[in-house]
Amino acid sequence: AQTVTQSQPEMSVQEAETVTLSCTYDTSESDYYLFWYKQPPSRQMILVIRQEAYKQQNATENRFSVNFQKAAKSFSLKISDSQLGDAAMYFCVLGQGGSEKLVFGQGTKLTVNP
Amino acid sequence: DAGVTQSPTHLIKTRGQQVTLRCSPKSGHDTVSWYQQALGQGPQFIFQYYEEEERQRGNFPDRFSGHQFPNYSSELNVNALLLGDSALYLCASSWTGAEAFFGQGTRLTVV
Repeated sequence: AQTVTQSQPEMSVQEAETVTLSCTYDTSESDYYLFWYKQPPSRQMILVIRQEAYKQQNATENRFSVNFQKAAKSFSLKISDSQLGDAAMYFCVLGQGGSEKLVFGQGTKLTVNP
Repeated sequence: DAGVTQSPTHLIKTRGQQVTLRCSPKSGHDTVSWYQQALGQGPQFIFQYYEEEERQRGNFPDRFSGHQFPNYSSELNVNALLLGDSALYLCASSWTGAEAFFGQGTRLTVV
Protein backbone atom coordinates (compact mmCIF):
# COMPACT_ATOMS: atom_id res chain seq x y z
CA ALA A 1 0.00 0.00 0.00
CA GLN A 2 1.09 3.53 -0.68
CA THR A 3 0.77 6.09 2.07
CA VAL A 4 1.57 9.77 2.56
CA THR A 5 1.85 11.37 5.99
CA GLN A 6 1.87 15.07 6.79
CA SER A 7 2.47 15.53 10.51
CA GLN A 8 1.78 19.27 10.64
CA PRO A 9 -1.97 19.99 10.47
CA GLU A 10 -1.33 23.74 10.63
CA MET A 11 1.64 26.07 10.12
CA SER A 12 2.00 29.83 10.17
CA VAL A 13 4.64 32.18 8.79
CA GLN A 14 5.25 35.90 8.71
CA GLU A 15 5.09 37.57 5.33
CA ALA A 16 8.53 37.61 3.60
CA GLU A 17 9.90 34.83 5.83
CA THR A 18 10.62 31.17 5.05
CA VAL A 19 8.58 28.14 6.05
CA THR A 20 9.11 24.40 5.58
CA LEU A 21 6.29 21.86 5.32
CA SER A 22 7.11 18.23 6.10
CA CYS A 23 6.01 15.03 4.42
CA THR A 24 6.93 11.36 4.59
CA TYR A 25 5.71 8.65 2.27
CA ASP A 26 5.85 4.93 1.75
CA THR A 27 5.77 2.97 -1.49
CA SER A 28 7.18 -0.27 -2.82
CA GLU A 29 7.29 1.11 -6.36
CA SER A 30 10.60 2.13 -7.89
CA ASP A 31 9.01 4.43 -10.48
CA TYR A 32 7.05 7.21 -8.80
CA TYR A 33 6.59 10.95 -8.62
CA LEU A 34 6.07 13.30 -5.72
CA PHE A 35 4.13 16.53 -5.84
CA TRP A 36 3.05 19.40 -3.68
CA TYR A 37 -0.41 20.71 -4.51
CA LYS A 38 -1.97 23.86 -3.09
CA GLN A 39 -5.71 24.21 -2.45
CA PRO A 40 -6.87 27.77 -1.70
CA PRO A 41 -10.43 28.52 -0.47
CA SER A 42 -11.54 28.54 -4.12
CA ARG A 43 -11.15 24.72 -3.87
CA GLN A 44 -9.16 24.28 -7.07
CA MET A 45 -6.12 22.07 -6.60
CA ILE A 46 -3.04 23.76 -8.08
CA LEU A 47 0.28 22.06 -8.76
CA VAL A 48 3.14 23.80 -6.92
CA ILE A 49 6.11 21.57 -7.67
CA ARG A 50 6.94 18.11 -8.99
CA GLN A 51 9.82 15.71 -8.29
CA GLU A 52 10.65 12.55 -10.22
CA ALA A 53 11.97 9.83 -7.92
CA TYR A 54 14.78 8.90 -10.30
CA LYS A 55 16.20 12.43 -10.18
CA GLN A 56 18.65 13.15 -7.37
CA GLN A 57 18.54 16.91 -7.88
CA ASN A 58 15.91 18.69 -5.82
CA ALA A 59 13.23 20.49 -7.82
CA THR A 60 12.82 24.26 -7.58
CA GLU A 61 10.13 26.59 -8.92
CA ASN A 62 10.83 30.24 -8.16
CA ARG A 63 10.23 30.68 -4.39
CA PHE A 64 9.35 27.00 -3.92
CA SER A 65 11.90 24.23 -3.46
CA VAL A 66 11.89 20.70 -2.13
CA ASN A 67 14.25 18.58 -0.06
CA PHE A 68 13.86 15.05 -1.43
CA GLN A 69 15.49 12.37 0.73
CA LYS A 70 14.75 9.12 -1.11
CA ALA A 71 16.31 6.72 1.39
CA ALA A 72 14.43 8.33 4.26
CA LYS A 73 11.26 8.64 2.13
CA SER A 74 11.00 12.28 3.06
CA PHE A 75 9.79 15.12 0.82
CA SER A 76 9.60 18.59 2.38
CA LEU A 77 8.54 21.86 0.76
CA LYS A 78 10.32 25.14 1.47
CA ILE A 79 8.57 28.40 0.67
CA SER A 80 10.87 31.42 0.64
CA ASP A 81 9.79 35.07 0.84
CA SER A 82 6.25 34.01 1.83
CA GLN A 83 3.42 36.05 0.35
CA LEU A 84 -0.16 36.52 1.51
CA GLY A 85 -1.31 34.64 -1.59
CA ASP A 86 0.57 31.54 -0.40
CA ALA A 87 -2.04 30.99 2.31
CA ALA A 88 -3.81 27.72 1.48
CA MET A 89 -4.03 24.03 2.30
CA TYR A 90 -0.94 22.23 1.02
CA PHE A 91 -1.04 18.56 0.09
CA CYS A 92 1.91 16.24 -0.35
CA VAL A 93 1.02 13.77 -3.10
CA LEU A 94 2.47 10.49 -4.36
CA GLY A 95 1.92 9.42 -7.95
CA GLN A 96 2.61 6.02 -9.49
CA GLY A 97 4.72 5.81 -12.58
CA GLY A 98 2.79 4.82 -15.69
CA SER A 99 -0.59 5.91 -14.38
CA GLU A 100 -1.99 9.01 -12.85
CA LYS A 101 -3.55 7.68 -9.63
CA LEU A 102 -2.57 10.09 -6.88
CA VAL A 103 -2.31 9.38 -3.15
CA PHE A 104 -2.76 12.48 -0.98
CA GLY A 105 -1.59 13.29 2.50
CA GLN A 106 -3.96 14.81 5.06
CA GLY A 107 -2.84 18.35 4.27
CA THR A 108 -1.16 21.24 6.09
CA LYS A 109 -3.04 24.50 6.45
CA LEU A 110 -0.63 27.39 5.93
CA THR A 111 -1.45 30.83 7.32
CA VAL A 112 0.63 33.85 6.23
CA ASN A 113 0.59 36.73 8.70
CA PRO A 114 1.09 40.31 7.43
CA ASP B 1 -8.12 26.87 -22.91
CA ALA B 2 -10.97 26.39 -20.43
CA GLY B 3 -9.07 23.90 -18.29
CA VAL B 4 -11.00 21.21 -16.43
CA THR B 5 -14.65 22.10 -15.93
CA GLN B 6 -17.07 20.40 -13.57
CA SER B 7 -20.82 20.72 -13.21
CA PRO B 8 -22.74 21.47 -11.17
CA THR B 9 -20.71 23.43 -8.62
CA HIS B 10 -23.09 22.69 -5.75
CA LEU B 11 -25.75 20.06 -5.28
CA ILE B 12 -28.11 19.04 -2.49
CA LYS B 13 -29.66 15.57 -2.58
CA THR B 14 -31.78 13.49 -0.25
CA ARG B 15 -30.55 10.25 1.27
CA GLY B 16 -31.37 7.30 -1.03
CA GLN B 17 -31.40 9.37 -4.22
CA GLN B 18 -29.03 9.08 -7.16
CA VAL B 19 -26.69 11.78 -8.46
CA THR B 20 -24.66 12.37 -11.63
CA LEU B 21 -21.64 14.67 -11.69
CA ARG B 22 -19.98 15.77 -14.91
CA CYS B 23 -16.43 16.63 -15.96
CA SER B 24 -14.96 18.05 -19.16
CA PRO B 25 -11.19 17.50 -19.33
CA LYS B 26 -8.59 19.99 -20.38
CA SER B 27 -8.10 20.10 -24.14
CA GLY B 28 -5.82 17.28 -25.33
CA HIS B 29 -6.20 15.21 -22.16
CA ASP B 30 -7.35 11.60 -22.55
CA THR B 31 -7.43 10.39 -18.93
CA VAL B 32 -9.96 11.40 -16.29
CA SER B 33 -9.77 10.57 -12.59
CA TRP B 34 -12.31 11.21 -9.84
CA TYR B 35 -11.55 11.94 -6.20
CA GLN B 36 -13.70 12.36 -3.09
CA GLN B 37 -12.57 14.95 -0.56
CA ALA B 38 -14.36 14.88 2.79
CA LEU B 39 -14.26 18.04 4.86
CA GLY B 40 -10.83 18.63 6.37
CA GLN B 41 -9.22 15.65 4.65
CA GLY B 42 -7.13 14.91 1.62
CA PRO B 43 -8.78 13.66 -1.57
CA GLN B 44 -9.33 9.90 -1.95
CA PHE B 45 -9.05 8.23 -5.36
CA ILE B 46 -12.35 6.81 -6.63
CA PHE B 47 -11.50 5.61 -10.16
CA GLN B 48 -9.83 6.53 -13.41
CA TYR B 49 -11.01 6.33 -17.00
CA TYR B 50 -8.91 5.99 -20.13
CA GLU B 51 -10.19 5.18 -23.63
CA GLU B 52 -13.71 4.84 -22.24
CA GLU B 53 -12.69 2.05 -19.88
CA GLU B 54 -12.23 2.05 -16.10
CA ARG B 55 -8.49 1.56 -15.72
CA GLN B 56 -8.08 1.71 -11.94
CA ARG B 57 -10.42 1.80 -8.99
CA GLY B 58 -9.96 2.85 -5.41
CA ASN B 59 -11.63 1.42 -2.32
CA PHE B 60 -15.17 2.60 -3.06
CA PRO B 61 -18.37 0.52 -3.19
CA ASP B 62 -20.18 -0.37 -6.40
CA ARG B 63 -22.67 2.44 -5.69
CA PHE B 64 -20.01 4.61 -7.29
CA SER B 65 -19.85 4.15 -11.04
CA GLY B 66 -18.62 6.15 -13.96
CA HIS B 67 -18.44 6.58 -17.66
CA GLN B 68 -16.14 8.19 -20.19
CA PHE B 69 -17.43 9.38 -23.54
CA PRO B 70 -15.60 9.40 -26.91
CA ASN B 71 -14.80 13.11 -26.44
CA TYR B 72 -13.05 12.14 -23.13
CA SER B 73 -15.62 13.86 -20.91
CA SER B 74 -16.74 11.82 -17.94
CA GLU B 75 -19.57 11.26 -15.50
CA LEU B 76 -19.56 10.05 -11.92
CA ASN B 77 -22.75 8.39 -10.72
CA VAL B 78 -23.56 7.63 -7.10
CA ASN B 79 -26.61 5.51 -6.27
CA ALA B 80 -28.47 5.12 -2.96
CA LEU B 81 -26.85 8.20 -1.46
CA LEU B 82 -25.75 8.08 2.16
CA LEU B 83 -25.13 11.00 4.49
CA GLY B 84 -21.44 10.02 4.41
CA ASP B 85 -21.29 10.68 0.68
CA SER B 86 -21.39 14.40 1.42
CA ALA B 87 -18.07 15.73 0.14
CA LEU B 88 -16.27 17.73 -2.51
CA TYR B 89 -15.88 15.64 -5.66
CA LEU B 90 -12.86 16.54 -7.74
CA CYS B 91 -12.19 15.62 -11.33
CA ALA B 92 -8.63 15.56 -12.65
CA SER B 93 -7.55 15.18 -16.25
CA SER B 94 -4.18 14.36 -17.73
CA TRP B 95 -2.45 13.26 -20.86
CA THR B 96 -0.87 9.86 -20.35
CA GLY B 97 2.26 10.20 -18.25
CA ALA B 98 1.87 13.91 -17.62
CA GLU B 99 0.73 15.93 -14.62
CA ALA B 100 -2.90 16.07 -13.55
CA PHE B 101 -4.99 19.22 -13.74
CA PHE B 102 -7.95 19.58 -11.41
CA GLY B 103 -11.35 21.16 -11.75
CA GLN B 104 -12.94 23.29 -9.04
CA GLY B 105 -15.04 20.41 -7.82
CA THR B 106 -18.69 19.71 -7.11
CA ARG B 107 -19.82 20.18 -3.51
CA LEU B 108 -22.39 17.45 -2.80
CA THR B 109 -24.53 17.67 0.32
CA VAL B 110 -26.74 14.72 1.25
CA VAL B 111 -29.55 15.50 3.69
